[in-house]
Amino acid sequence: QVQLVQSGPEVKKPGSSVKVSCKTSGGTFGRYTLTWVRQAPGQGLEWVGKIIPIIATTNYAQRFQGRVTITADNSTNTAYMELSSLRSEDTAIYYCARDREIIDCSGGTCYSDDVFSMWGQGTMVTVSS
Amino acid sequence: DIQMTQSPSSLSASVGDRVTMTCRASQSISNYLNWYQHKPGKAPKLLIYAASSLQSGVPSRFSGSGSGTDFTLTISSLQPEDFATYYCQQSYKTLITFGQGTRLEIK
Repeated sequence: QVQLVQSGPEVKKPGSSVKVSCKTSGGTFGRYTLTWVRQAPGQGLEWVGKIIPIIATTNYAQRFQGRVTITADNSTNTAYMELSSLRSEDTAIYYCARDREIIDCSGGTCYSDDVFSMWGQGTMVTVSS
Repeated sequence: DIQMTQSPSSLSASVGDRVTMTCRASQSISNYLNWYQHKPGKAPKLLIYAASSLQSGVPSRFSGSGSGTDFTLTISSLQPEDFATYYCQQSYKTLITFGQGTRLEIK
């Protein structure tokens, strides 16, 4: 049974950084894209970015470019999302999610499925002075 | 980025009703459209992928249709556990986007 287990809640000051982890247990790690999605209070789901762990390729939403870094440790089956220069608007639940299918590298370039069939339990990040 | 617009933003219905909600993309996305159910305090759940394929374990009362820019999610006979917020998501472009959600409430 594959599970995604995220780190615990965080409370941060404006201007600081937060690093949230997502550990995959019970299944293959490197060949599934890991995505981060957030939900601010009263708002909808918002895509933050993703990583293909086995080749460490990342993509980020434009609004987070320069502030977010997604990494993966293939030895511990853990992905990380670090968000810097935190502001109150970053207060949200942050979810990691795994693709339904493994990456497709048949054409020389690797592509993600980008269908999120498995999710972590969410990590609440509160930014407050 | 591709913009995804869902309608209505909220919907009231009763147990047993047939419900349809829509999702429109700002450009053609072929069938690269997925639907999720989200309940407060829980992680989102994949219902439909590739516009019309039912995810394993999801009840058959859920169905999806559409291609290009216009898509629908239908629940054939609402059950009490179906009251939630539903999101569409395009997987056509690497930069993924979600719709703003349709909140399904009990009438």
